[in-house]
Amino acid sequence: GAGVSQSPRYKVTKRGQDVALRCDPISGHVSLYWYRQALGQGPEFLTYFNYEAQQDKSGLPNDRFSAERPEGSISTLTIQRTEQRDSAMYRCASSSDTKTEAFFGQGTRLTVV
Amino acid sequence: AQKVTQAQTEISVVEKEDVTLDCVYETRDTTYYLFWYKQPPSGELVFLIRRNSFDEQNEISGRYSWNFQKSTSSFNFTITASQVVDSAVYFCALSALLNTGFQKLVFGTGTRLLVSP
Repeated sequence: GAGVSQSPRYKVTKRGQDVALRCDPISGHVSLYWYRQALGQGPEFLTYFNYEAQQDKSGLPNDRFSAERPEGSISTLTIQRTEQRDSAMYRCASSSDTKTEAFFGQGTRLTVV
Repeated sequence: AQKVTQAQTEISVVEKEDVTLDCVYETRDTTYYLFWYKQPPSGELVFLIRRNSFDEQNEISGRYSWNFQKSTSSFNFTITASQVVDSAVYFCALSALLNTGFQKLVFGTGTRLLVSP
């Protein structure tokens, strides 16, 4: 597609439920990143894929968070047993390689009630 | 550790005024990139510019200009003759070079710019 596409745009979920956030990167981009942005803050790094390999997950806050990119294209960020503190904007970005600038999607705003 | 400081939380100007957004960074890397992104009210994050740490030349793109000064670890962004459409939150970011070759972005907290007609 023309840009990075994320779905859903908005997600409201009850505490304790699992959620899956989807990212469809720019066609041909091999590097994919997930960031989380709390209200009034800048985005913070969560994890990074090069093709299908998850090469860095140092930013995932705890083991309730996981991500995959099985075919090196679409990626899913899963949050299990959601908590209110997980409420944030989750942003996906892609780049053509590790050394070029990243382009961000519109984000998924997650609200845990 | 890498750190980006945007000391200006919010700036208000009247249309046609010039405005400078400050960005100060900290890094131990000898090679790094600096970025500016724009987040308009619609919420997306729009890439504006990337600068290599070896290239200290200032850059101008239309009404936008960037001043990179390694001596003061600053990468300031100036909008000339501001317009209402420039109203947004602007983020400065620094890439932290990991040993995988991947460059993780470290963002500042952003500066909200409000341009009034």
